[in-house]
Amino acid sequence: QKEVEQNSGPLSVPEGAIASLNCTYSDRGSQSFFWYRQYSGKSPELIMFIYSNGDKEDGRFTAQLNKASQYVSLLIRDSQPSDSATYLCAVRDSGGSNYKLTFGKGTLLTVNP
Amino acid sequence: NAGVTQTPKFRILKIGQSMTLQCAQDMNHNYMYWYRQDPGMGLKLIYYSVGAGITDKGEVPNGYNVSRSTTEDFPLRLELAAPSQTSVYFCASSYGSSGGAYSSYNEQFFGPGTRLTVL
Repeated sequence: QKEVEQNSGPLSVPEGAIASLNCTYSDRGSQSFFWYRQYSGKSPELIMFIYSNGDKEDGRFTAQLNKASQYVSLLIRDSQPSDSATYLCAVRDSGGSNYKLTFGKGTLLTVNP
Repeated sequence: NAGVTQTPKFRILKIGQSMTLQCAQDMNHNYMYWYRQDPGMGLKLIYYSVGAGITDKGEVPNGYNVSRSTTEDFPLRLELAAPSQTSVYFCASSYGSSGGAYSSYNEQFFGPGTRLTVL
């Protein structure tokens, strides 16, 4: 059973701070990793995708991947109240079913004005 | 493009009733998925399809059934509804696995969801 673990939170940060969201995964063969944002009552939307070890930056968002430690994280710089949402980590399955994603339970982030 | 659409948005069922949740996509994606999301529990895969006429079970298929007669449509059937099926249901689609592990082609696009309550 493939597993993706996230701290459920809630994680509360003040406006302008850096929010750090963490995710670990059990499938050592996984190659691709996704971060989805889900506002309350809405559907998930993709905000970051990473497949290489190291950092990937997109605006205020930075995804970090360490395959040896089976760890992926998302940093949100200059956090805004509009970033308040649940963040879902998803890991692409290895092997023949590599179109499927395994999702973590999500981390609820609250950014306080 | 409308993307992924789902109907209905909300539904209340009585125990033992049946219903079909509709899902359609206009992105010409081969792969489609049905998830359920319970509070604090993330997304659980119910069924998926890799193309018209091909479906397979996901992690939590019991009590559900699917069909895929066209590329665009992927309905989910609930037979004999039970309170345990109270959940939010999301349909998703993706281009597929082509492009290799280093491609974002496996990005899944989600519909707006159906909130189902079984009483």
